Amino acid sequence: SAVISQKPSRDICQRGTSLTIQCQVDSQVTMMFWYRQQPGQSLTLIATANQGSEATYESGFVIDKFPISRPNLTFSTLTVSNMSPEDSSIYLCSVKSSRTGKETQYFGPGTRLLVL
Amino acid sequence: AQSVTQPDIHITVSEGASLELRCNYSYGATPYLFWYVQSPGQGLQLLLKYFSGDTLVQGIKGFEAEFKRSQSSFNLRKPSVHWSDAAEYFCAVGADIGGGSNYKLTFGKGTLLTVNP
Repeated sequence: SAVISQKPSRDICQRGTSLTIQCQVDSQVTMMFWYRQQPGQSLTLIATANQGSEATYESGFVIDKFPISRPNLTFSTLTVSNMSPEDSSIYLCSVKSSRTGKETQYFGPGTRLLVL
Repeated sequence: AQSVTQPDIHITVSEGASLELRCNYSYGATPYLFWYVQSPGQGLQLLLKYFSGDTLVQGIKGFEAEFKRSQSSFNLRKPSVHWSDAAEYFCAVGADIGGGSNYKLTFGKGTLLTVNP
């Protein structure tokens, strides 16, 4: 399995500011994913980030609000811009990895964001 | 579009009792199926997965799940629950979007498991 780390693990931010979340993987992966988990809710895919190309955003998510970088095959960042209290969520980085056979999707520990 | 239903929002069991968490999916083809567990303050950990083959899948921590195509279900089971199993459990279906193992996950809303001593 892939080992995924995220920074910061949690943060408290003021509305109107931005926060950049980092995701580091211990192996090279083609696709990295960013999810949001709002309080008491399930996971929602924000975007898929491929190295060397623009991220692909899901319906309801836009690049201006959630810009993503993917500079290499082991690292990605997600920025939550111009934050409001509605952005308070857990943000999870995810990758697909396999030793043999089909790839399995693994998740990082998450970044817990509270916007005041 | 695919969807996942976890009918039980919250389940309480006694330690040592058996457990079954229900998961039903809607998808037009053979799905890839997963169970993840999220302990308090933690990320998601993969318990088990089904891609094809044997419909009874063994996972970590003594969990198993059975894919029943006729019922569109993938229920998670454990014969004897431990206090450390208290967590939230998410069922997910992977819809094939082409390219071999290229699939997109859709998650259920989760089942919160409480274990009484």
